[in-house]
Amino acid sequence: DTGVSQDPRHKITKRGQNVTFRCDPISEHNRLYWYRQTLGQGPEFLTYFQNEAQLEKSRLLSDRFSAERPKGSFSTLEIQRTEQGDSAMYLCASSLLTGRLITGELFFGEGSRLTVL
Amino acid sequence: GEDVEQSLFLSVREGDSSVINCTYTDSSSTYLYWYKQEPGAGLQLLTYIFSNMDMKQDQRLTVLLNKKDKHLSLRIADTQTGDSAIYFCAEDTGGFKTIFGAGTRLFVKA
Repeated sequence: DTGVSQDPRHKITKRGQNVTFRCDPISEHNRLYWYRQTLGQGPEFLTYFQNEAQLEKSRLLSDRFSAERPKGSFSTLEIQRTEQGDSAMYLCASSLLTGRLITGELFFGEGSRLTVL
Repeated sequence: GEDVEQSLFLSVREGDSSVINCTYTDSSSTYLYWYKQEPGAGLQLLTYIFSNMDMKQDQRLTVLLNKKDKHLSLRIADTQTGDSAIYFCAEDTGGFKTIFGAGTRLFVKA
């Protein structure tokens, strides 16, 4: 396994269009996270899944944003009716949460950069 | 609320020590983290400290935690040009939801 992979790496779209990003986590990881990072800022939490269940959504995630993890493996993040303010790097991360002592380490992908014209 | 703050920029000479500081707000955090982001790459965990520890040392890295003041620091000894990167302080806020600071850009002058 080569780590967390995200696709596409870069997406340019016109305002009002819909876009979808895909994340493939590390295969044995049961937790999957989406973050958004804008220039000069740290990653901002958007949502996370444990297996297929979406456990928490940030208030940053407006109703134009939807995330799914249908079989507890890969995840998609869709943005409908994109706005220029949606331009950012969308980061996916995964981790393994078990009953044993764990550190909560997140393994990040390289991100999907969205540019909305 | 959940908030992590850190200084935005640090410049040091090669061979000197670097100290990056961070303050956080969630007193219930179990773990505090330092992540490193190199240009064009994803974030990688550099080190972490459990909340019942005051200090953790890992080769050139020393993490100090002051729970009373909610202050975390990362010291890099003998800083090298390859250490130039963005360093993110982060805290887990329960349930392993991790909140990040804005990042400190470390610039190492040869």
